[in-house]
Amino acid sequence: GAVVSQHPSRVICKSGTSVKIECRSLDFQATTMFWYRQFPKKSLMLMATSNEGSKATYEQGVEKDKFLINHASLTLSTLTVTSAHPEDSSFYICSARETGQETQYFGPGTRLLVL
Amino acid sequence: AQSVTQLDSQVPVFEEAPVELRCNYSSSVSVYLFWYVQYPNQGLQLLLKYLSGSTLVKGINGFEAEFNKSQTSFHLRKPSVHISDTAEYFCAVKGSFKTIFGAGTRLFVKA
Repeated sequence: GAVVSQHPSRVICKSGTSVKIECRSLDFQATTMFWYRQFPKKSLMLMATSNEGSKATYEQGVEKDKFLINHASLTLSTLTVTSAHPEDSSFYICSARETGQETQYFGPGTRLLVL
Repeated sequence: AQSVTQLDSQVPVFEEAPVELRCNYSSSVSVYLFWYVQYPNQGLQLLLKYLSGSTLVKGINGFEAEFNKSQTSFHLRKPSVHISDTAEYFCAVKGSFKTIFGAGTRLFVKA
């Protein structure tokens, strides 16, 4: 149990385009989902926390107009990188936490390369 | 506020040898503790967690960790490692709100 999927696993796009990444909890309902960014050989940097049906809470320094997060259902959250630039290239990982639980379960990550 | 310190950025070890990956934390409130493993180009997989109860926690792949409240530590151990254990290991602490991740420890198992 506790499986989280992410799609796509890898995406290459041109500078200036927008990219949407989906995060799904497959076998549980996730009131809260998290979006992280990971730089090479670094730890995870929390970008934002999203709660189903409400606006996401962004960490300091993360542009909410650039990284749009939607958590429309208890099993799906999306991260849209708008007007992507090469510096947005990174490994993006989502996680989900079941309602009333403390453990986060992570998706397999999405590798974004902006040319 | 909470913080997590993983004392070793890299730990090289020979196959079948024991290993300990160290994790210390600070927090003004009670915490939940986690260890995750990350293989190259993959997300994080939960190894084990301490929420309450017995301070010795057993996880997947033969790993275990011990919660030591007086030393504010949650070190990860395995008595005999395999080549396939080569990966990045993250310690994480959750207090009242957020989960904070350590910087990671790269375990490199040599033949």
